[in-house]
Amino acid sequence: NAGVTQTPKFQVLKTGQSMTLQCAQDMNHNSMYWYRQDPGMGLRLIYYSASEGTTDKGEVPNGYNVSRLNKREFSLRLESAAPSQTSVYFCASSDRGINEKLFFGSGTQLSVL
Amino acid sequence: AQKVTQAQTEISVVEKEDVTLDCVYETRDTTYYLFWYKQPPSGELVFLIRRNSFDEQNEISGRYSWNFQKSTSSFNFTITASQVVDSAVYFCALSEAHHTGTASKLTFGTGTRLQVTL
Repeated sequence: NAGVTQTPKFQVLKTGQSMTLQCAQDMNHNSMYWYRQDPGMGLRLIYYSASEGTTDKGEVPNGYNVSRLNKREFSLRLESAAPSQTSVYFCASSDRGINEKLFFGSGTQLSVL
Repeated sequence: AQKVTQAQTEISVVEKEDVTLDCVYETRDTTYYLFWYKQPPSGELVFLIRRNSFDEQNEISGRYSWNFQKSTSSFNFTITASQVVDSAVYFCALSEAHHTGTASKLTFGTGTRLQVTL
């Protein structure tokens, strides 16, 4: 029963490098999300995908791109990493509906030097 | 804009004490949902409860209870007879009911770190 799986768990980048965070869910959920968690700021929504083939900006989308590859997978790309993107990133998924609970992955700790 | 405030940054209690985590929210929606999540030291967020805005009944689940009061826009969480395993960061969240699409967009508070010691 994997749920939401994120890779990698840890990553260190140099400023300007690019990388893609991978996320996959096996619960047949329609919607997927990327959040970032910073000390004292809670979780903030970066991008989300209400259903396969659609993506929308959240609260803090600048510097990121996403791809909903299929129903299972939703990736987050940093094209040119900046120190301000040092954070813990969480992928989540939910069943159809605007008030459904989110199921979270275990997070990716990203440091940009 | 929606907002969730968890004014308590960190709480320390001794095992078996009762503890209440406060959550105050702001929204213009008349229909909305409130959530609590637990983030243990392992890091993954675990869902605890979802409550809709039309149901103000208090809820109890084992040692956990929730008090929802629309009059004060609060959704407080009480742990009775706390245990060391309750040590975690707890997040309150509010759903955004009025937006296009079918996603569940949650606004999170900044979290309360609970430390339970022996």
